[in-house]
Amino acid sequence: DAGVIQSPRHEVTEMGQEVTLRCKPISGHDYLFWYRQTMMRGLELLIYFNNNVPIDDSGMPEDRFSAKMPNASFSTLKIQPSEPRDSAVYFCASSLAGAYGYTFGSGTRLTVV
Amino acid sequence: GESVGLHLPTLSVQEGDNSIINCAYSNSASDYFIWYKQESGKGPQFIIDIRSNMDKRQGQRVTVLLNKTVKHLSLQIAATQPGDSAVYFCAENMPRGDQGGKLIFGQGTELSVKP
Repeated sequence: DAGVIQSPRHEVTEMGQEVTLRCKPISGHDYLFWYRQTMMRGLELLIYFNNNVPIDDSGMPEDRFSAKMPNASFSTLKIQPSEPRDSAVYFCASSLAGAYGYTFGSGTRLTVV
Repeated sequence: GESVGLHLPTLSVQEGDNSIINCAYSNSASDYFIWYKQESGKGPQFIIDIRSNMDKRQGQRVTVLLNKTVKHLSLQIAATQPGDSAVYFCAENMPRGDQGGKLIFGQGTELSVKP
């Protein structure tokens, strides 16, 4: 089992550019979560999906952020336009049956300059 | 300018000693709790979990204690090793009816093991 796979591992972009983060969950998992980690705010849940349907997006900071899950094996988190305050590590996690057996990916470190 | 980040609580222990990491959770309706370990440059890794109908659960070298009265969770690591050095997070599951739950993470504690 390859685990949760995120790409890219590192992303450096200029303010105003569009950024797309990608996630492949563990095969068979029906929940997918996007988290953001910063020193100031710790680990924040942005959005989660169940069976490819967004369930709770209350953590998405603003309209510049959007997430999609077109199928059970792929999800994207898009920031457009990006701002320096979006710099953080973004984690994707997947699970079977909600909070049980959460597995995190290695994260994408985003730097917006 | 850049904001100053929060300093994580730090626990420093000698190799071979036992470690106790504490966590206060926020929601009395939370029904499931997990401890995660995060090493530098990696994602959080599951260590041990406990359901709200239990007070104690043991794993290999780790024990989790749950006190629902005061909404307190602790992680005990026996015979702490240098490889245990990491940031440890507790997480509580806030139930959402038939929509599963979402994990809310605590601030984290940095464990430093001195050889």
